[in-house]
Amino acid sequence: SQKIEQNSEALNIQEGKTATLTCNYTNYSPAYLQWYRQDPGRGPVFLLLIRENEKEKRKERLKVTFDTTLKQSLFHITASQPADSATYLCALDLFSGGYNKLIFGAGTRLAVHP
Amino acid sequence: SQTIHQWPATLVQPVGSPLSLECTVEGTSNPNLYWYRQAAGRGLQLLFYSVGIGQISSEVPQNLSASRPQDRQFILSSKKLLLSDSGFYLCAWSVGSGTTDTQYFGPGTRLTVL
Repeated sequence: SQKIEQNSEALNIQEGKTATLTCNYTNYSPAYLQWYRQDPGRGPVFLLLIRENEKEKRKERLKVTFDTTLKQSLFHITASQPADSATYLCALDLFSGGYNKLIFGAGTRLAVHP
Repeated sequence: SQTIHQWPATLVQPVGSPLSLECTVEGTSNPNLYWYRQAAGRGLQLLFYSVGIGQISSEVPQNLSASRPQDRQFILSSKKLLLSDSGFYLCAWSVGSGTTDTQYFGPGTRLTVL
C-alpha cells in the first residue's frame, strides 16, 4: 500500500542545535517533494521544494535532501531557535492531470527549548 | 500580492444541519483550488480540487460537495453534517498553469459537529 510516514513523536531539541526531521514513503514516485510548516490553528506555509533530480536544497538555515532510492527526505534546521517550534509536514508532489496533487504526511512536531 | 480568505474561522453545528464554507482568492487569475480536511494528529486529506469554474473533482466519497461559481471562489457544502465531519478545513490555491508549484493555504475553518 502507499504510505508516507513522518516521526509521530515530537522532537525536542536545545536551542542552537540542528533539528533533523525524516519523511519516508513507499509505493509512490513523486517528481517533487515539498516541506511545509504549520503552527497551531493555522494553515500550512510552504518552505522548500526539491525535485527528484536534486540531492539537496538549501534556504537560509534550512536544508532538504531527497533520496529517491531510499524513498526518503531529510529536513534540517541548523542553529535552531525557539521560534522554529512548529509542526513540519512533508508532501509528495504527484503532478497529474494538470494539477499538483499533494499527499501529506501527518507531520512532526518540533519543540526547540531555550 | 495574492491573499486567500476563508470563513468562518470557527463553526459549531449540530448533526444533520447543513454546511457552507467559503474560500476566496485575491490577486491571481485561474488558480487551481483545493479543499483539505485535517483531523487531529493526522495529515491533510485532499477532499476536492478544481482547475476552473464549474470543474470539480472529488478525491474522497463522502457527504460533502464543492462548487466553484466564480474563478476565485470555492465553496464546500453539506446537506446534512455527520459527527465524522468535524475537523480543520483548509482551502488552498496554486498557479493554474505550472507543472509544479507550491500550494498556498488559507487560515482554515475549525468545524465541530455535535
